[in-house]
Amino acid sequence: DVKVTQSSRYLVKRTGEKVFLECVQDMDHENMFWYRQDPGLGLRLIYFSYDVKMKEKGDIPEGYSVSREKKERFSLILESASTNQTSMYLCASSFLDRASQPQHFGDGTRLSIL
Amino acid sequence: AQKITQTQPGMFVQEKEAVTLDCTYDTSDPSYGLFWYKQPSSGEMIFLIYQGSYDQQNATEGRYSLNFQKARKSANLVISASQLGDSAMYFCAMREGRDDKIIFGKGTRLHILP
Repeated sequence: DVKVTQSSRYLVKRTGEKVFLECVQDMDHENMFWYRQDPGLGLRLIYFSYDVKMKEKGDIPEGYSVSREKKERFSLILESASTNQTSMYLCASSFLDRASQPQHFGDGTRLSIL
Repeated sequence: AQKITQTQPGMFVQEKEAVTLDCTYDTSDPSYGLFWYKQPSSGEMIFLIYQGSYDQQNATEGRYSLNFQKARKSANLVISASQLGDSAMYFCAMREGRDDKIIFGKGTRLHILP
């Protein structure tokens, strides 16, 4: 089975801190994604990566950056956390260019910025 | 304009009844794929079913089936013989052409009543 692991289920940080959310997948997927989920807004794409060291902005990249140094690991970075970044963050992975294959998700990280 | 529209924010259904969750989509690409995901209160996103735009038959997976009406651009999820464990948030999503990104609807929260 595909396993996507996010480093924390719950995380509490303070305004202005630099925050790292880590995601690791074990299925050799080329693509990795970071989403943010807020009530009534569904899932919104922050960034995605289709290869090591490659990244593309999603719909809401402001205030975030990402890092992909190894194929299996994709990190989301909040450079200076703000209260409006309190949210549920979901990581996903998938194979490159396989239309019928779904994205596989981690369990999510509920991040609170105080 | 929204690419994926789920018009039912919430639904209450009696246990053992069939459930239909609505999803309409908007795309001009003749090649696309539609996905349904389930998200229990614990937060993980579970892939349920996939329908390709060129698939001749409606997709089925156990108690889940997809009522795909291409001309109407609708892809409703049908859950037969609902169970208490079906209570969750359900998301419809679409991939267009060869894009590896998928676009999510805002979701429908389903409550199964005993």
